[in-house]
Amino acid sequence: QKEVEQNSGPLSVPEGAIASLNCTYSDRGSQSFFWYRQYSGKSPELIMFIYSNGDKEDGRFTAQLNKASQYVSLLIRDSQPSDSATYLCAVIGSAGNMLTFGGGTRLMVKP
Amino acid sequence: DAGVIQSPRHEVTEMGQEVTLRCKPISGHDYLFWYRQTMMRGLELLIYFNNNVPIDDSGMPEDRFSAKMPNASFSTLKIQPSEPRDSAVYFCASSPSGTGDQPQHFGDGTRLSIL
Repeated sequence: QKEVEQNSGPLSVPEGAIASLNCTYSDRGSQSFFWYRQYSGKSPELIMFIYSNGDKEDGRFTAQLNKASQYVSLLIRDSQPSDSATYLCAVIGSAGNMLTFGGGTRLMVKP
Repeated sequence: DAGVIQSPRHEVTEMGQEVTLRCKPISGHDYLFWYRQTMMRGLELLIYFNNNVPIDDSGMPEDRFSAKMPNASFSTLKIQPSEPRDSAVYFCASSPSGTGDQPQHFGDGTRLSIL
């Protein structure tokens, strides 16, 4: 079992819709959770991080964390074609400073 | 501010050759990370340094791989001898702290092709 799991996709949504990206993790002691966006041929860039249970909103992005279910998600409202990318979930586990990445979900927003 | 700088951006070399990848972290960042990304395995942490000291190298695939950080502004990842299965994109990232409250900033990566 992988430590951080994501559906590889592609997830296809129409422009203006809400895109919902999901991630589960195996280390129950994990404390820090990150969402990175990676355009094709580019490096990952951080878009959201969350540490506490509940929701965290930043513009069109909302991160949701449920530690009891070991589940973190990213919602993108009013999806735009420019949001088309691979979204990587990353977790810092109980062991310390290392980020463990999921395999990523490819999002396609169609005009 | 300058971001994480990696060189070269692309490297194509023949099997058996030595490959050296270079990274300059963001000034003031105490943590430096080397990752490898492939379609099959995704983004994997190879090694990370804190204040120039290697902390965890459990992700280094085998003895052919070595990494150094001689000072706070420079790190290298070396593969000797290189093999076709080493072909991947190698990213360097840096962070001000290792406690998770500061994000990692990635360089543009080195796309390595071993023929």
